[in-house]
Amino acid sequence: EAQVTQNPRYLITVTGKKLTVTCSQNMNHEYMSWYRQDPGLGLRQIYYSMNVEVTDKGDVPEGYKVSRKEKRNFPLILESPSPNQTSLYFCASSRRLADSYEQYFGPGTRLTVT
Amino acid sequence: DAKTTQPNSMESNEEEPVHLPCNHSTISGTDYIHWYRQLPSQGPEYVIHGLTSNVNNRMASLAIAEDRKSSTLILHRATLRDAAVYYCILRDRETSGSRLTFGEGTQLTVNP
Repeated sequence: EAQVTQNPRYLITVTGKKLTVTCSQNMNHEYMSWYRQDPGLGLRQIYYSMNVEVTDKGDVPEGYKVSRKEKRNFPLILESPSPNQTSLYFCASSRRLADSYEQYFGPGTRLTVT
Repeated sequence: DAKTTQPNSMESNEEEPVHLPCNHSTISGTDYIHWYRQLPSQGPEYVIHGLTSNVNNRMASLAIAEDRKSSTLILHRATLRDAAVYYCILRDRETSGSRLTFGEGTQLTVNP
């Protein structure tokens, strides 16, 4: 089954404690991205990757890092989480560029930073 | 990316058709019109997309105005499972690649 998986699905942590949210896709997609969803602000893109070792900032990259060492994985790293990063996070993948009509989204990771 | 305008909420009855409108008066010639929906507690999922002509797939139909300044997503027979937030998104194939810019969408309620 074609899917995007995220782990963990729920995470409660404290300010400053480094964490990683993993994202993996089994569709051999070149393009992967991370979004956060907040009430009243909708979904906003954090980072994206066009292919292995190619990443770029989205609309709200501050406080986040990503890496793309393998095609199937695109982890989101919070080096020093803060309460304003409490949010619902989605990973997505698609084929590249103009052919990427359909993006597949993961189930989401609900992060709470206290 | 050009902006879209959708009603905040709509209601429908089960097994009746639903027409979800979207205005995009500043659409450019290279903008595709995409629709995604987000079911409760799930990630967004692709519904349909189009450029100029009306489109049909197993989930829905997309009707695009002749001047492309508006479009309508049509669910032919709403079910309770169709209750979701529906997003109308313009994607510039030339400049934004795979990037999607989500607005607030339309919350669809389906009454039994």
